[in-house]
Amino acid sequence: EIVLTQSPATLSVSPGERATLSCRASQSVSSNLAWYQQRPGRAPRLLIYGASTRATDIPARFSGTGSGTEFSLTISSLQSDDFAVYYCQQYNNRPPWTFGQGTKVEIK
Amino acid sequence: EVQLAESGGGLVQPGGSLRLSCAASGFDFSIYSMKWVRQAPGKGLEWVSYISGSSSRIYYADSVKGRFTISRDNGKNSLYLQMDSLRDEDTAVYFCARVVYGSASYDDYWGQGTLVTVSS
Repeated sequence: EIVLTQSPATLSVSPGERATLSCRASQSVSSNLAWYQQRPGRAPRLLIYGASTRATDIPARFSGTGSGTEFSLTISSLQSDDFAVYYCQQYNNRPPWTFGQGTKVEIK
Repeated sequence: EVQLAESGGGLVQPGGSLRLSCAASGFDFSIYSMKWVRQAPGKGLEWVSYISGSSSRIYYADSVKGRFTISRDNGKNSLYLQMDSLRDEDTAVYFCARVVYGSASYDDYWGQGTLVTVSS
């Protein structure tokens, strides 16, 4: 089973600032990695797939990079709607599909 | 518009059973694989089960294997999760999710979830 480790657990950022989240895989997942956003009390929403492709209707301030075992999600200028928990998911070696433990982006 | 709506959650005693449903609309349900994903209170996301469009491929997480059964009725555009021998640690919000069409298997649409509470 592939383990995904996200860091940091919590990121405190001011509105308008840049946020960079990390996801590390225990073995290579190629580019088969997705990022999801989850606001409180809401369902997860797909942001990025294929490590770097934005999903439909996702703003350009969200960008993903990486391949193999090291990945990152960058939010270029945080807006109020962006304060949420972000999860990475690998779909390279499955089953099982595995998620990272999440990074909470909070208002500084 | 793609819509997924879960139902069937509730309070159940340890050892009991519950059947969750997920009603799908806005897309050709029969050609899409589907998943159940759960989230314990205050915790992260955990994949539970997967079923292909024709039901020919079914997978379970080790934590639920032998206790949960996934199924679907393409004529009714519905996905199900039969949960038996429930344990305290099965307490969670259960989401159904559509798997993107094609060889990749990330999840492009999610329902709002239904809460299952296992407690005496």
